Amino acid sequence: AQSVTQLDSQVPVFEEAPVELRCNYSSSVSVYLFWYVQYPNQGLQLLLKYLSGSTLVKGINGFEAEFNKSQTSFHLRKPSVHISDTAEYFCAVSSQGGSEKLVFGKGTKLTVNP
Amino acid sequence: IAGITQAPTSQILAAGRRMTLRCTQDMRHNAMYWYRQDLGLGLRLIHYSNTAGTTGKGEVPDGYSVSRANTDDFPLTLASAVPSQTSVYFCASSYAGLSTDTQYFGPGTRLTVL
Repeated sequence: AQSVTQLDSQVPVFEEAPVELRCNYSSSVSVYLFWYVQYPNQGLQLLLKYLSGSTLVKGINGFEAEFNKSQTSFHLRKPSVHISDTAEYFCAVSSQGGSEKLVFGKGTKLTVNP
Repeated sequence: IAGITQAPTSQILAAGRRMTLRCTQDMRHNAMYWYRQDLGLGLRLIHYSNTAGTTGKGEVPDGYSVSRANTDDFPLTLASAVPSQTSVYFCASSYAGLSTDTQYFGPGTRLTVL
């Protein structure tokens, strides 16, 4: 079975500052990795996903994430955040070739202050 | 394009009452999912359906049942609600139910059981 750990439950930053949201996973098999974003009072939407190939994945709204197999990490980054990036961010993992469904981390609440 | 709709938006329910949360998608996706979101716990899978006519149990299925009579609808029933089922419930769908699929989420139903 796979699991996901999001190391920070809350991350406050100032507008235009860079941000990194950390995600580590655990799995006995190869995985696919996802980041979803949830804006206030909305459902989740996909930011980006890693399936194969380049370990640097670019997503919507200027976000990117890097898959590091040796460190079992998939950290999310943005070089300059906006007020509108205030949201909760969820890292998720699914196993390659397995029947297990998507497993979500507990979420990181990003608050961007002016 | 509506995507996924959920009803009701919110509900307050007395313990012991029966409740059905409705979910409809217009994307002709084969797979559908029900999650509950609780503060500090992230999203947990309740039940899923890979295709019409089939359903499966997720991480937290106890107290819930689902049916998938057709492609578009995936209702979630609480036969006898208990306070621990107070949560925000999200319905989601994906094209084929594969571990590479992006999941698309509805806006959620906020349920309070008193």
